[in-house]
Amino acid sequence: DGGITQSPKYLFRKEGQNVTLSCEQNLNHDAMYWYRQDPGQGLRLIYYSQIVNDFQKGDIAEGYSVSREKKESFPLTVTSAQKNPTAFYLCASSTPGGHGYTFGSGTRLTVV
Amino acid sequence: DQQVKQNSPSLSVQEGRISILNCDYTNSMFDYFLWYKKYPAEGPTFLISISSIKDKNEDGRFTVFLNKSAKHLSLHIVPSQPGDSAVYFCAASANAGGTSYGKLTFGQGTILTVHP
Repeated sequence: DGGITQSPKYLFRKEGQNVTLSCEQNLNHDAMYWYRQDPGQGLRLIYYSQIVNDFQKGDIAEGYSVSREKKESFPLTVTSAQKNPTAFYLCASSTPGGHGYTFGSGTRLTVV
Repeated sequence: DQQVKQNSPSLSVQEGRISILNCDYTNSMFDYFLWYKKYPAEGPTFLISISSIKDKNEDGRFTVFLNKSAKHLSLHIVPSQPGDSAVYFCAASANAGGTSYGKLTFGQGTILTVHP
């Protein structure tokens, strides 16, 4: 079955450590996105990529980094510079002219 | 700058009655609108959408209405069922057709609770 896989589902890290969230898709979608969900703030765009080896900052990119070396993969690194990293992170993908996203099941990151 | 707003954080409805979820937007360039449903600890799933050339789209119990002049859309669920209890996100994109990727801007979400 085609879809988007995010791993792990739950992640705990100590403050000051970098952590990388995985996102893999086998839908052959060109574009991939990372969103963050916080209570009462909806989904906010962190980074997106429309083609391999290219990506753009979203609305809240500070403290995050991404790479897009393969079409199928779009990992997100939460760096120690991110002031409030504890959140639910969602990865999504889409096709050109497509009108919607396919989302992964999310990763809950807790920084202690 | 919140371009897509869902001003009701929560809505409680009795089973069998109508649920109406509202969404307002400010960007006149938005030409495609979507509703997503999300359960806790899961990713959102697509529910229904509408193009700006229409003012209504219906799919079973779900109907989305678009009022372009008011920059307002609403999702009607009739009849509401307990399984509809979830967070509902409104989303919008600009120039979503052709070769663009239609990057989505989401509202804050509305928690719908349908009581048996």
